Amino acid sequence: DQQVKQNSPSLSVQEGRISILNCDYTNSMFDYFLWYKKYPAEGPTFLISISSIKDKNEDGRFTVFLNKSAKHLSLHIVPSQPGDSAVYFCAASEGSSNTGKLIFGQGTTLQVKP
Amino acid sequence: GAVVSQHPSRVICKSGTSVKIECRSLDFQATTMFWYRQFPKKSLMLMATSNEGSKATYEQGVEKDKFLINHASLTLSTLTVTSAHPEDSSFYICSAYRDSGYTFGSGTRLTVV
Repeated sequence: DQQVKQNSPSLSVQEGRISILNCDYTNSMFDYFLWYKKYPAEGPTFLISISSIKDKNEDGRFTVFLNKSAKHLSLHIVPSQPGDSAVYFCAASEGSSNTGKLIFGQGTTLQVKP
Repeated sequence: GAVVSQHPSRVICKSGTSVKIECRSLDFQATTMFWYRQFPKKSLMLMATSNEGSKATYEQGVEKDKFLINHASLTLSTLTVTSAHPEDSSFYICSAYRDSGYTFGSGTRLTVV
């Protein structure tokens, strides 16, 4: 049972344009969401997060949008840069359980072309 | 910022032997550490949750006797893959958790031959 889903395994974008990565979840108890960037043979690097009390969080070129009714979140990167090319994972946690467990999506490989 | 050191980064072992992977939080005390496994081109799958001084909580389908987790202190958790087989070959990643913040190790590539 995949509670966090990233249905697009890959995305290719031209440098300077916007990259939009999508993530859906099924567990309505999730209340904290994070996006990570990962290179092969390395651990994930934290990018940005959002709490369920918000619908948008922005940090520089990265913006995360949360639509709770649709159980959907997205990561916008603008402008995209070649250095953004990596695998992006969304993750969710159920804060009320206080376990801190993160459930990851399958990842989306982003390629930004110069 | 918070740093988690995981080693070894890469290990090759013979089938039937055991391998220990260490995860250390270098500049903070982690209340909880998590162990993940990533198959090629797949998601990070949570294996177990480790709290200092108590037994680890394993996710469904993860063999606790095969993947031994020890959390001896607030800065160190170890994962031992016992009697490793080629199907255990994978990328293992730890994560230290404190105050709603997660810091990941750099991962360990295990190859069992």
